[in-house]
Amino acid sequence: DTGVSQDPRHKITKRGQNVTFRCDPISEHNRLYWYRQTLGQGPEFLTYFQNEAQLEKSRLLSDRFSAERPKGSFSTLEIQRTEQGDSAMYLCASSTRQGAETQYFGPGTRLLVL
Amino acid sequence: RKEVEQDPGPFNVPEGATVAFNCTYSNSASQSFFWYRQDCRKEPKLLMSVYSSGNEDGRFTAQLNRASQYISLLIRDSKLSDSATYLCVGGRASGSARQLTFGSGTQLTVLP
Repeated sequence: DTGVSQDPRHKITKRGQNVTFRCDPISEHNRLYWYRQTLGQGPEFLTYFQNEAQLEKSRLLSDRFSAERPKGSFSTLEIQRTEQGDSAMYLCASSTRQGAETQYFGPGTRLLVL
Repeated sequence: RKEVEQDPGPFNVPEGATVAFNCTYSNSASQSFFWYRQDCRKEPKLLMSVYSSGNEDGRFTAQLNRASQYISLLIRDSKLSDSATYLCVGGRASGSARQLTFGSGTQLTVLP
């Protein structure tokens, strides 16, 4: 499967714990996006990377959230001191600058904070 | 007010029916528009891009009216497999990338 992959697919954690999610984009895609989706809502943009550079962050990305893409390939999203309000689906998408620049989404990581 | 607004539905239609979804956007900086489809507990997948001239892909027709800031999706001869949530999406240039803003989605159930 050469699509976007995310790991883990599900994560249950206790409030106050730290969690880290991984995204592997489509191999030739240099652009990577993180979104958050809560029940009954569409995905909301969190942050964007072009290669290894983090070029934009949403105001939704509080200081407890950090994202990296150290080698311009896979990316990690870490949430520190998780809160119940962080419970959501975290989606990763990738795209390439060529053509219509369609964003292809991974299956998501579903986070539940107890 | 949300940047992209959709009727949440649910729309319950019989197989073979024609169904139309509407969407409005408030950010005039939005330059490109899309419809994504999302199945239950799955990731969004691009259904089609939306152009001012209107575009058709099989049973699906999308239309954009920039003056009214209105986007539509028409599904003809609906199939059971069309049951999903349809997300209206606006895209705008943000630096060198395209930032997508999603509506909350319209839920469609096609009944046998």
